[in-house]
Amino acid sequence: QSVLTQPPSASGTPGQRVTISCSGSSSNIGSNAVTWYQQLPGTAPKLLMYNSNQRPSGVPDRLSGSKSGTSASLAISGLQSEDEADYYCATWDASLTGVVFGGGTKLTVL
Amino acid sequence: EAQLLESGGGLVQPGGSLRLSCAASGFTFSGYAMSWVRQAPGKGLDWVSSISNSGDNTYYADSVKGRFTISRDNSKNTLFLQMNSLRAEDTAIYYCSKILSRSHSQIDHWGQGTLVTVSS
Repeated sequence: QSVLTQPPSASGTPGQRVTISCSGSSSNIGSNAVTWYQQLPGTAPKLLMYNSNQRPSGVPDRLSGSKSGTSASLAISGLQSEDEADYYCATWDASLTGVVFGGGTKLTVL
Repeated sequence: EAQLLESGGGLVQPGGSLRLSCAASGFTFSGYAMSWVRQAPGKGLDWVSSISNSGDNTYYADSVKGRFTISRDNSKNTLFLQMNSLRAEDTAIYYCSKILSRSHSQIDHWGQGTLVTVSS
């Protein structure tokens, strides 16, 4: 059972917009920035979003992040086949004094 | 470009020990906090431990506290994870990672991972 809750799966057709949610509590998302990672099969995770809504260089602007209260979300617009991957949210938890991850969301491009 | 190369993984019996190493290059190692994140086969990401840039501050997941020790040698640009009293549930790919900024959840570079298998 992960501290951060993500839907196990999401899907969309090419060109669509999909949103992946990440729900936590006041000790984690409620008081800290959220980070998002993408993991392609057999590879290490890749940083997609930090400080809840900041994109590292090289990440396309069709990806966006937001945070409100104890929840965060990652939106991907103009869905492409190469977006098919696992997505994880993460943040610091003050009560646990450690980093917590969501359980991951498998995104399928239909 | 930052590069992280893990080594030291392998097969170990329950109750045994392993020491993972991570050789860092391409950035000023002493300027950044570092962490270990693991992933059990077919499962999600699981934070293990983090260490400040100086090594003065360390943090551990409850599941490994008292069994694992994170350390670093800034003179050799190397991160370590000493793992004792290993259990079957510690079986995973262990990733060495570089923390982007003050928040330890923000990792901007990952190694390729080293597989640790705990089995008799």
